Amino acid sequence: QLQLQESGPGLVKPSETLSLTCTVSGGSISSSNYYWGWVRQPPGKGLEWIGTIFYSGSTFYNPSLKSRVTISVDTSKNQLSLKLSSVTAADTAVYYCARHTLQWLASIYFFDYWGLGTLVTVSS
Amino acid sequence: QSVLTQPPSASGTPGQRVTISCSGSSSNIGSNTVTWYQQLPGTAPKLLIYNNNQRPSGVPDRFSGSKSGTSASLAIGGLQSEDEADYYCATWDDSLNGPHYVFGTGTKVTVL
Repeated sequence: QLQLQESGPGLVKPSETLSLTCTVSGGSISSSNYYWGWVRQPPGKGLEWIGTIFYSGSTFYNPSLKSRVTISVDTSKNQLSLKLSSVTAADTAVYYCARHTLQWLASIYFFDYWGLGTLVTVSS
Repeated sequence: QSVLTQPPSASGTPGQRVTISCSGSSSNIGSNTVTWYQQLPGTAPKLLIYNNNQRPSGVPDRFSGSKSGTSASLAIGGLQSEDEADYYCATWDDSLNGPHYVFGTGTKVTVL
């Protein structure tokens, strides 16, 4: 059974860089059939897609966050990472990593396996 | 600000049918299939419907999805207490400012 687990600091200071890692187990992040993504959810609010990456390094980012986001993969460790720079209180959220199916020819796109999420608070 | 609009809330009594709408545009729902997620309180979202109306294994058949033009709907037939959750539609957006994935604003379903 595929499992994803987010890890990283739960508290980040304003203007600093938020860094999270997602470890994938029970499957290979190098699979040619899937992408991997990050989604966040501020307390009491809705879901926001951050970005998605293919094992080769090809990425898609939310236009509203693109200037501050970097997503990468480490196939040797079966991990993906998220870096979000210049954070403010508005970046306080639960951050999820998930497997992203992107079937371009059929225009089918969905997240099917999710991590439990990790709360990151931005505060001094 | 999401480009997919959902009603903030919906409710029904056990056994009733509840429908949630998701309104988009030609660059998102009009061009791509729609996915629905269910998020129970305090948990990660769960895939509920993909490809407009397909249910993953294990999802009860009381959940159904449909799409017409630039709108989509999720129906819960025979509402049960365990269906009390937040529901989100989502799809890909082929926007000129960069292709990206979008979630709807979310609908909280309450079982009365």
